[in-house]
Amino acid sequence: EPEVTQTPSHQVTQMGQEVILRCVPISNHLYFYWYRQILGQKVEFLVSFYNNEISEKSEIFDDQFSVERPDGSNFTLKIRSTKLEDSAMYFCASSDFLRGARDTQYFGPGTRLTVL
Amino acid sequence: DAKTTQPPSMDCAEGRAANLPCNHSTISGNEYVYWYRQIHSQGPQYIIHGLKNNETNEMASLIITEDRKSSTLILPHATLRDTAVYYCIVRPQGSSNTGKLIFGQGTTLQVKP
Repeated sequence: EPEVTQTPSHQVTQMGQEVILRCVPISNHLYFYWYRQILGQKVEFLVSFYNNEISEKSEIFDDQFSVERPDGSNFTLKIRSTKLEDSAMYFCASSDFLRGARDTQYFGPGTRLTVL
Repeated sequence: DAKTTQPPSMDCAEGRAANLPCNHSTISGNEYVYWYRQIHSQGPQYIIHGLKNNETNEMASLIITEDRKSSTLILPHATLRDTAVYYCIVRPQGSSNTGKLIFGQGTTLQVKP
């Protein structure tokens, strides 16, 4: 069964460093998302992406964050200058249909980001 | 988006049906009820969704009340692997759907041997 994959599974970085989290969505999906979950807290929406542009972003997704689909398969989240509070599990998700009864999102296993 | 209310935790005996309630009294006509679950910090997993009719798939059944103000997710024969946090999410369809899922705290279901 097709699945969303994410790399790395765990990323440790120093405060102020740039990190890139990578995702490979399900191959025929067109809509892509990033969510994060700080330890012990809710899953929070960060950004949605369709047709090579951001569809919606949350207040969390400030100028330090960016997303890109550099080729036909990868979807990346970049954090330019990490802060301690960016430490969280980051989940990528994709779906093949929006605005319909078939709209379901499939999530990857997540990347645990630890900022020291 | 309509808000949902779920009990913070529930227990269920292995092999028995698990019935997880969700209140969404402010739901509007174009909003679907979705259920996801998250097993021990893994990525959330889609379970089922519905508009007003009851739905069933290989994982679960979804019972939506006639007034649509509440719903119940039923896992017919719970196993230890069903121990997870279950999220009830209300989402609009049509042009007002931006795709994002808004997760609450969910219900932590503990299936016990």
